[in-house]
Amino acid sequence: DQQVKQNSPSLSVQEGRISILNCDYTNSMFDYFLWYKKYPAEGPTFLISISSIKDKNEDGRFTVFLNKSAKHLSLHIVPSQPGDSAVYFCAASASYQKVTFGTGTKLQVIP
Amino acid sequence: DAGVTQSPTHLIKTRGQQVTLRCSPISGHKSVSWYQQVLGQGPQFIFQYYEKEERGRGNFPDRFSARQFPNYSSELNVNALLLGDSALYLCASSLLSGTSYEQYFGPGTRLTVT
Repeated sequence: DQQVKQNSPSLSVQEGRISILNCDYTNSMFDYFLWYKKYPAEGPTFLISISSIKDKNEDGRFTVFLNKSAKHLSLHIVPSQPGDSAVYFCAASASYQKVTFGTGTKLQVIP
Repeated sequence: DAGVTQSPTHLIKTRGQQVTLRCSPISGHKSVSWYQQVLGQGPQFIFQYYEKEERGRGNFPDRFSARQFPNYSSELNVNALLLGDSALYLCASSLLSGTSYEQYFGPGTRLTVT
């Protein structure tokens, strides 16, 4: 049972444009959501998070939006840079318990 | 500052053997979690330890066990290895305080079972 879903396995975006990565979840108990970036041969790197009491969190070029009614969150990267090319994982947690990850979206930013 | 460190980097074992993986968290972090990542999937939660106590366990068989030491380092032990245990094993540490639950991952241990 995949509680966190990233339905797009890959995404290609031109440098300077916006990248939008999407994530859906099914467990209504999730109250904390995170995005991680992973380069080959490295562990995932924390990017940005959002609590369920908020609907938006921004950190530099990265913004996460949360739509609780739709059980949907998205990560916006503006402007996209070639160094952003990586696999992005959406993750969710309920009451600081185990973190459940999605299957990842591979982002390619084309120079 | 040193990040999360894991050893060994790579490991090859035979079916039926036992393996121990090691993790040292970021200084000051008291929580350690273990994840298994198979190719094409996201990390799957195995265990979380906080202050040497198990705080969570994922859907893994009893062949998987872990412990956390007084210095907050941790070991993951897998007995009776199966081919399906071949994966990247990730360790993550966190402060686990307030609303901060950002985890910091190590580079992982690549386990191959033949």
